[in-house]
Amino acid sequence: GESVGLHLPTLSVQEGDNSIINCAYSNSASDYFIWYKQESGKGPQFIIDIRSNMDKRQGQRVTVLLNKTVKHLSLQIAATQPGDSAVYFCAENMPGTYKYIFGTGTRLKVLA
Amino acid sequence: DGGITQSPKYLFRKEGQNVTLSCEQNLNHDAMYWYRQDPGQGLRLIYYSQIVNDFQKGDIAEGYSVSREKKESFPLTVTSAQKNPTAFYLCASSLEGPLENTGELFFGEGSRLTVL
Repeated sequence: GESVGLHLPTLSVQEGDNSIINCAYSNSASDYFIWYKQESGKGPQFIIDIRSNMDKRQGQRVTVLLNKTVKHLSLQIAATQPGDSAVYFCAENMPGTYKYIFGTGTRLKVLA
Repeated sequence: DGGITQSPKYLFRKEGQNVTLSCEQNLNHDAMYWYRQDPGQGLRLIYYSQIVNDFQKGDIAEGYSVSREKKESFPLTVTSAQKNPTAFYLCASSLEGPLENTGELFFGEGSRLTVL
């Protein structure tokens, strides 16, 4: 079946280092992808999105890379800060449908 | 400030009771959604609504009901027919409906329901 998965359930990084969170998606027809950040007990917050006609998109301290050949999405966080500690998950959407498929999430722990 | 407001944040229910979770948005979004979040699982779609007075079942609609009488409001009722209702419930909205250009989902802060 369709699925969006993450390779690493927990990622620990030193404060100031860069973080890379990965996501594999299974549906080659998906054309829109979002990364969300979710802190404990709160709703998901939008971080960055990318459409399938792009390979890379940059935001403030974050970059999303899309590799359609291997159906892989990654989120890079530069100079990781303690406030970045949260669960991050990706979502994919197929064109013309309501269906967003969400990954289970990766917990990012920032070590002081 | 614009956003999505869910209430209550915490809710306890006895078995056999129906409960209603509120979701209000002032973003002027057409589409609204209800998701359920369980530990170790991705968000699962319960119901969605593209326009007022219209809504569709998602992947796990059994035991739930919704209404969309106003654009701003999309309440979710968890009925006694839902066998495992303890979960974190998230309401979301998007500017455009699911059959138009897909857009970012904006989420509320969630409601945690616990069945005693």
